Amino acid sequence: NAGVTQTPKFRILKIGQSMTLQCTQDMNHNYMYWYRQDPGMGLKLIYYSVGAGITDKGEVPNGYNVSRSTTEDFPLRLELAAPSQTSVYFCASSPGTSGNTGELFFGEGSRLTVL
Amino acid sequence: GQSLEQPSEVTAVEGAIVQINCTYQTSGFYGLSWYQQHDGGAPTFLSYNALDGLEETGRFSSFLSRSDSYGYLLLQELQMKDSASYFCAVLSNYQLIWGAGTKLIIKP
Repeated sequence: NAGVTQTPKFRILKIGQSMTLQCTQDMNHNYMYWYRQDPGMGLKLIYYSVGAGITDKGEVPNGYNVSRSTTEDFPLRLELAAPSQTSVYFCASSPGTSGNTGELFFGEGSRLTVL
Repeated sequence: GQSLEQPSEVTAVEGAIVQINCTYQTSGFYGLSWYQQHDGGAPTFLSYNALDGLEETGRFSSFLSRSDSYGYLLLQELQMKDSASYFCAVLSNYQLIWGAGTKLIIKP
């Protein structure tokens, strides 16, 4: 059982480049999330999805886009990368509010540097 | 606005007991979660309190007082492997709102 899988684990981008962080989960969870974590800080929510075809903005959505075409996949797109997007990105999933125990299942993280 | 306050750093001795406090101010509240994160790793779930009182899981316990908008994580019989950052997070309207984290330093 793989859980939540993120790729790539590390990436260096030049300013203005674009890229997609991939996230997939095999737990049939309805809810999926993208967070970013800057050094010494807590997690900030970028986007979330409560099911296939449904996405919504979190606290810090600017400069990012998402899609949710299937239950399993929730890619995060960075357009026109900027140094301020240098961070660690975490994808997470949860079953949903009906069985919600406040527990999120996290991927290992993707460390992105924009130079 | 929404905010969670927790100490930035706590130091304790191996074998001792330590308490990490969390106060919150959020719109919508379903419960309070605690997560552990080792350096370079992903957060891992420790506990969740939806109702007032104490929840115990092995060496870790978590407490919630909804009327005081306050909770804490209690770690007993500290081990060196408990050195990590600990985050409180409020479950509010489909999403978790996170505190900035408390770095726990354990001395032998």
